[in-house]
Amino acid sequence: DAGITQSPRHKVTETGTPVTLRCHQTENHRYMYWYRQDPGHGLRLIHYSYGVKDTDKGEVSDGYSVSRSKTEDFLLTLESATSSQTSVYFCAISESRQGSATIYFGEGSWLTVV
Amino acid sequence: ILNVEQSPQSLHVQEGDSTNFTCSFPSSNFYALHWYRWETAKSPEALFVMTLNGDEKKKGRISATLNTKEGYSYLYIKGSQPEDSATYLCAFISGSGGGADGLTFGKGTHLIIQP
Repeated sequence: DAGITQSPRHKVTETGTPVTLRCHQTENHRYMYWYRQDPGHGLRLIHYSYGVKDTDKGEVSDGYSVSRSKTEDFLLTLESATSSQTSVYFCAISESRQGSATIYFGEGSWLTVV
Repeated sequence: ILNVEQSPQSLHVQEGDSTNFTCSFPSSNFYALHWYRWETAKSPEALFVMTLNGDEKKKGRISATLNTKEGYSYLYIKGSQPEDSATYLCAFISGSGGGADGLTFGKGTHLIIQP
């Protein structure tokens, strides 16, 4: 298994509170990604990073921010959680940006916003 | 937004039977197709990355084929076992590529193997 650890794995939070999800990798891969998985949808990209302090928006970035101060850590922050952000969040990494590069996923973080 | 369709949405198969399901994607400007296997509460696991028309990949009892001209890929499981129960995801990337930032995922095929 790729060395990807997501924390917390499960969290229940109240609407309007800030939430930070952490992704930690031990593979020294340059590229890191945050996806969300919702019923009726495929995995959708929230934000990604192509290096320390280098990040960009994905398809569903509204309401989310990210930071990457070290190669191994990629943080996803919900500034003010809403019920629509109840989802399963997956971190992923890849060594290369090529479309044929294998993507490795973490085990997911289940977030419920009440 | 690219359209990646997987069918069927769910599938019940008897243990020992073989099965297959489909991923359809735009046939123009193909770059790569990924297949993943996802068991609930675990990480999605990469099965195959396919890049060439006519590609056939195999991993144990699981194999996949690719037709980029008509825009589909089949995933086959031979002699299904209970441990094959999972959601199978495909993801398409077009054009010049990019990495996972360019992947468009289908909604998955949920496979249940019945003993």
